[in-house]
Amino acid sequence: GQSLEQPSEVTAVEGAIVQINCTYQTSGFYGLSWYQQHDGGAPTFLSYNALDGLEETGRFSSFLSRSDSYGYLLLQELQMKDSASYFCAVWKGDKLIFGTGTRLQVFP
Amino acid sequence: DAGVIQSPRHEVTEMGQEVTLRCKPISGHNSLFWYRQTMMRGLELLIYFNNNVPIDDSGMPEDRFSAKMPNASFSTLKIQPSEPRDSAVYFCASMGTRKYEQYFGPGTRLTVT
Repeated sequence: GQSLEQPSEVTAVEGAIVQINCTYQTSGFYGLSWYQQHDGGAPTFLSYNALDGLEETGRFSSFLSRSDSYGYLLLQELQMKDSASYFCAVWKGDKLIFGTGTRLQVFP
Repeated sequence: DAGVIQSPRHEVTEMGQEVTLRCKPISGHNSLFWYRQTMMRGLELLIYFNNNVPIDDSGMPEDRFSAKMPNASFSTLKIQPSEPRDSAVYFCASMGTRKYEQYFGPGTRLTVT
């Protein structure tokens, strides 16, 4: 089968750095994406890794290692507005397969 | 660009009634996806279309669910008859040439009593 596992919840304080992990049991995918969803809102695209390694987009970075079946989203200089759910997703065929999601709570 | 548009934003209906959810994708996007999100099951893909043609409907829970895309700018998801377990947020998303990036609509929160 295909599954992407994430921790259910992560907490951190403002200004800190947090890493959200994504482990998967699937193969033959094109790349790994990350989406952010605020409570009551829709998922929005954050980043994409087509190749192994680190991709940086402002305060957010994303990493992929196909050999380890593992990826992560790194959020730096955390702000209160970063409190949201974060989903990893693999692009396979013409569709995205989403992970279980991680709820991030940022405290002052 | 107005983004993906969904209507209604909220729907409350009684068990047994027909429910129709509507979606207008971003102009120029040729793929459209319907998702359902619940606390228990997370974000589930129900069906998707490429160039208005249904490609994969393996996520549609049962025959009570049906989806159509009569043209490039409109899609519907219909539940008939609705049941309380259908209560969820239903998202529509569209995708252009960057196939790893989907644009989600605001969702329809469906409550079936």
